Amino acid sequence: GAGVSQSPSNKVTEKGKDVELRCDPISGHTALYWYRQSLGQGLEFLIYFQGNSAPDKSGLPSDRFSAERTGGSVSTLTIQRTQQEDSAVYLCASSETSGRGTQYFGPGTRLLVL
Amino acid sequence: EDKVVQSPLSLVVHEGDTVTLNCSYEVTNFRSLLWYKQEKKAPTFLFMLTSSGIEKKSGRLSSILDKKELSSILNITATQTGDSAIYLCAVEKTSGTYKYIFGTGTRLKVLA
Repeated sequence: GAGVSQSPSNKVTEKGKDVELRCDPISGHTALYWYRQSLGQGLEFLIYFQGNSAPDKSGLPSDRFSAERTGGSVSTLTIQRTQQEDSAVYLCASSETSGRGTQYFGPGTRLLVL
Repeated sequence: EDKVVQSPLSLVVHEGDTVTLNCSYEVTNFRSLLWYKQEKKAPTFLFMLTSSGIEKKSGRLSSILDKKELSSILNITATQTGDSAIYLCAVEKTSGTYKYIFGTGTRLKVLA
């Protein structure tokens, strides 16, 4: 596609439910990143995929968070047993490869946990 | 610990004013510094500054990298209401797995 796409654009869920957020990176980009941005805050790094290497999960805030990247392309971020503090905008970005310039961001998924 | 600090945190100006946003960094193995504009959700790329390209300009926006002072500024002249956004600074490293360190951003509001 022309850019990074994410779905859904908005998600409202109840506390305790699981949610899945999807990211389609730019075709050919080997690096994919997930970030979380709470209201009025900067970007909080969550997880990073580079090609077929093991992902860097150092930013995941708890074991309720996990992510997969299938076939080196589409990625899914899963949050289990959601909590109200998980409410935020979840941004995905991709780049040609890590350490080679700019990342391109998707429009984000706004998650609201009631 | 690597860190990127932006100032001010927020800024309110009137149309036509000139603003200067600051980004300072303490990062090992620096490769480049990037500026993004975030209006709603997705940050959009503005500039990338490296040792070989320490000054960039695009229309009313310009940016300079000072590697000696470990900082960068983003200037916006003749501001317009459409410039209202969060401006993010990020530093890209040459080493490590995850290589981007983001600042918390400067929230700019331009009043008509």
